[in-house]
Amino acid sequence: GQNIDQPTEMTATEGAIVQINCTYQTSGFNGLFWYQQHAGEAPTFLSYNVLDGLEEKGRFSSFLSRSKGYSYLLLKELQMKDSASYLCAVRDMYSGGGADGLTFGKGTHLIIQP
Amino acid sequence: DAGVIQSPRHEVTEMGQEVTLRCKPISGHNSLFWYRQTMMRGLELLIYFNNNVPIDDSGMPEDRFSAKMPNASFSTLKIQPSEPRDSAVYFCASRSSGFYGYTFGSGTRLTVV
Repeated sequence: GQNIDQPTEMTATEGAIVQINCTYQTSGFNGLFWYQQHAGEAPTFLSYNVLDGLEEKGRFSSFLSRSKGYSYLLLKELQMKDSASYLCAVRDMYSGGGADGLTFGKGTHLIIQP
Repeated sequence: DAGVIQSPRHEVTEMGQEVTLRCKPISGHNSLFWYRQTMMRGLELLIYFNNNVPIDDSGMPEDRFSAKMPNASFSTLKIQPSEPRDSAVYFCASRSSGFYGYTFGSGTRLTVV
């Protein structure tokens, strides 16, 4: 199985930068995903990493180190609308879901202050 | 593209009643997933279908839960009999082969009283 850890809650200031960390343990790593979820809404896809390194997409970047079982999501130029939960998820070749289901962390609730 | 469509959006039922949740995946997506989200446990994978065939239902909590996918455009998750601890938001997600992104529906908020 997998063990995915991320901080429960973080607070940041509008216009600033925040980094949300995720650590995981898995036997057959096959990709790491970040999702954004606003209260009462569905998770929406942000990023995907399968190789080590940084993937940049606008204000959002995601980093992966497979050897360390570590990823982070970097949010720049924070806006009030970025207040949401950020979910780290791992796909494992040997997990339930026929190697295609995602296992999610419990999410990091990000609060943006003016 | 209408996205993944789930119904109903909200369901309140009494303990012991049967509950059926419905999902229409995105057209052309050949994988469908049912997830359950609670504050305590987060998002948990219940069952996964590929080309309408159930691949792994190891996440289904008990025999009270069952899921079907009679065709490529429709799936149901049934709970019979329902219990208060089944109260959660149930999400359906779909994905096409060759694309890594999973698209979630808006979810069904189930309350069992």
